[in-house]
Parts: sequence; structure tokens; C-alpha cells
Amino acid sequence: SQTIHQWPATLVQPVGSPLSLECTVEGTSNPNLYWYRQAAGRGLQLLFYSVGIGQISSEVPQNLSASRPQDRQFILSSKKLLLSDSGFYLCAWSVQWGQYYNEQFFGPGTRLTVL
Amino acid sequence: TQLLEQSPQFLSIQEGENLTVYCNSSSVFSSLQWYRQEPGEGPVLLVTVVTGGEVKKLKRLTFQFGDARKDSSLHITAAQPGDTGLYLCAGATGYGQNFVFGPGTRLSVLP
Repeated sequence: SQTIHQWPATLVQPVGSPLSLECTVEGTSNPNLYWYRQAAGRGLQLLFYSVGIGQISSEVPQNLSASRPQDRQFILSSKKLLLSDSGFYLCAWSVQWGQYYNEQFFGPGTRLTVL
Repeated sequence: TQLLEQSPQFLSIQEGENLTVYCNSSSVFSSLQWYRQEPGEGPVLLVTVVTGGEVKKLKRLTFQFGDARKDSSLHITAAQPGDTGLYLCAGATGYGQNFVFGPGTRLSVLP
């Protein structure tokens, strides 16, 4: 079966510090991978998605970046965190069967607080 | 731009009551997913609907995809406190890598 891991689970960082969040997927190959941010009690904002190694698409201009160094590894980074970067970060992977059937599965999330 | 709207935004009911939440869009989706999310956790996939008019049941939860594949509903029968959470709908396009999410319905079931 497939599993998705994220770490760390929680993180408190000062403004201006760097960031690295990691996500790995097990039990599948060549998944589409996603990073989302969720404000408290709200919907999901898509930040980045990747359809393969080294292929990253950005949905929102910001001081965050993403990389996919391996097939099942997705990393979210920042060189200098802003207060507005605080939030709940979710990694997800998706699978598509046939032309119409898409499903997306989420990791447990990372709670980031920037002080 | 594809958008999904959900209603109501908030819902507080007593245990044993029935409820329906809605997910609407002006766009057509090839499939639509419903998730439940509890505080501090990632969303958990409940169901995927693909065919217009499709109805799926998961115990006390009934999901319906609109005939035109633009809207969906989630009906809960005899709600229980364990149903409390944020319910999110998400639409996918045929070959797209992106999923469009609604803002969610926050459900509270009081014992």
C-alpha cells in the first residue's frame, strides 16, 4: 500500500531563517506531487506541483521554492522566512487511472510558525 | 479560472440530525473528491465520483455527483459527534495535474 510521510510535524522558526520541509511517498512510482498551504480552518492553496524529477510548476509567486531530487521525494524550501509564511503545509500525491479518474492523497502536514 | 464553492460554511447540529452540504462550480470536472479533515491532520479522502448522476454510499454518508458534473452533494444521516470536522470538496480535470479545492464546510455535531 502507499504511504506518504512529512517531516517535521511542527516547526517554529524566526523571521529571516531558512526552511526545508520534506515529503516522501512509498509504494508507488512516478506520482504527481503537490505542496499546499492551509490557513487556519480554511481551504487549501496550491503552492507547487511536480509531474516528474526536476519538473516543478509554481502556482503562487512567493519566497518559497520546491525541488524534486528523486522520484518520490518533494522538498519545500525558503531562504528567508516571512511572518506570512506561517501555516499548515500539506504534501500530497495523486494517481490517475484512465482518462477521468484522479485521486489525491495527503500527508499528515507540518505546522509552521514564524515568529 | 475554475472555482468551487461550498455551502454552508459552518454547520452546527445535534447528534441524530440529518444534514446536506453542497459543492458547486460553473466548471465541468472529470472527477470530484470529498475529504474530511480533523484539526492538525491532513485531509482524508472519503470518496471519488466520476460519472454524472453517480451516487455513492459510505455507511451513513451519501455522495452525489451532478448530472452535468459541475456540482456535488454530501448527505449525512443520523450525524454523530465523530462526523465533526472540515469537509472539503475538490475537482479534477481530465488530464490535469491540478485539483481545485473548495473552501470547506466546518461541521460540528453536538452530543
